[in-house]
Amino acid sequence: IQLTQSPSSLSASVGDRVSITCRASQGISSHLAWYQQKPGKAPELLIYTASTLQSGVPSRFSGSGSGTDFTLTISSLQPEDSATYYCQRLNDYPLTFGGGTRVEIK
Amino acid sequence: EVQLVESGGGLVQPGGSLRLSCAVSGFTFSDNYMDWVRQAPGKGLEWVGRSRNKDNSYTTEYAASVKGRFTISRDDSKNSLYLQMDSLKTEDTAVYYCGRAWVIPNIQSFGMDVWGQGTTVTVSS
Repeated sequence: IQLTQSPSSLSASVGDRVSITCRASQGISSHLAWYQQKPGKAPELLIYTASTLQSGVPSRFSGSGSGTDFTLTISSLQPEDSATYYCQRLNDYPLTFGGGTRVEIK
Repeated sequence: EVQLVESGGGLVQPGGSLRLSCAVSGFTFSDNYMDWVRQAPGKGLEWVGRSRNKDNSYTTEYAASVKGRFTISRDDSKNSLYLQMDSLKTEDTAVYYCGRAWVIPNIQSFGMDVWGQGTTVTVSS
């Protein structure tokens, strides 16, 4: 099962609403996680089971979707959200990651 | 404090071997599944493999790209996870991360909720 993220990169202004899509080649129910990775750092878990916010993650982040189509949304982009975001499927092996979406601040 | 610290990275020639370690503190290592993930320079994340806990017979899973060359093991008495890498190829060059896999066995998997800082492996002649 492949995970395709789009776009591969985006540039947006502080305060903008930003959405990133992750599409699975086969249905994976809600077995999807989202991660944020800043340059030179390890990834951090943002969202699990497609839509549940990990403890400590700001509420401007949200996840939605089930089956094959998933979305990560940042409701009001902040400077500290500049990072690369990855989805990962968790329903079966291998636990594939999407290709990543780089988010830049204008 | 929950902490994962990888070590053992370095420069190795193609065809060579290397053993990575991941020292765990701050949680009950023996209860948990553990994963290895790698990231080639300038590239995305690639899941490498998983070690299940004692209750699940310490079984392992591997990505196709490393199966037969890499071996994941653990020593619960030392709170440590290992990645033995043999027959290394230049395409194995990456930062290798260990992480806690948040899992309810046979019910739900939630992702990697704790990560180490990574150790760099360079395969080059």
